[in-house]
Amino acid sequence: GQQVMQIPQYQHVQEGEDFTTYCNSSTTLSNIQWYKQRPGGHPVFLIQLVKSGEVKKQKRLTFQFGEAKKNSSLHITATQTTDVGTYFCAGPAGGSYIPTFGRGTSLIVHP
Amino acid sequence: DAGVTQSPTHLIKTRGQQVTLRCSPKSGHDTVSWYQQALGQGPQFIFQYYEEEERQRGNFPDRFSGHQFPNYSSELNVNALLLGDSALYLCASSPMAGRNTIYFGEGSWLTVV
Repeated sequence: GQQVMQIPQYQHVQEGEDFTTYCNSSTTLSNIQWYKQRPGGHPVFLIQLVKSGEVKKQKRLTFQFGEAKKNSSLHITATQTTDVGTYFCAGPAGGSYIPTFGRGTSLIVHP
Repeated sequence: DAGVTQSPTHLIKTRGQQVTLRCSPKSGHDTVSWYQQALGQGPQFIFQYYEEEERQRGNFPDRFSGHQFPNYSSELNVNALLLGDSALYLCASSPMAGRNTIYFGEGSWLTVV
């Protein structure tokens, strides 16, 4: 079945440093979604990318969807303590519209 | 505009017992999905309900069952609870028109002892 992998599993950064998490799918995705889950909270939808090679920005966050629609990345510039949480990518493969989630990357920001 | 609401927020059950979790979707949404999120893992899809029918199911045993009511709210039932069923159970709703974008509730934390 489809597998979605994320690396790294954990990332410690000093406040102000940049952060990147990578997402790779074993199959081609129709779209890729990113979610953020704060400690003790629930996943909150951030963005959806649909087109091959698409790049979208939300303030300090930059999301990319690979040309082959099998990988994606999330880059945060100049991290802040409010960025702490686990970032999940998720995407449906094939004819399904049910997104498969990766295990997430937990971001820890040290002030 | 109320978001996705779930109840109860926390509960403790004993092995072998049964549990029912409840979910009300976001206003305007008619599709409800249930996910299980174990500690340190991403959400795992259990099943999805639309028009009061189960439309898709993930890799979960028959002990996991559900229901959707005419007002679009939903229940998740788990029978013969195992220790490994301890997890955060998330309900997510979406509008069929934009069914790829889902909104999660705050979840129900289930502990099986």
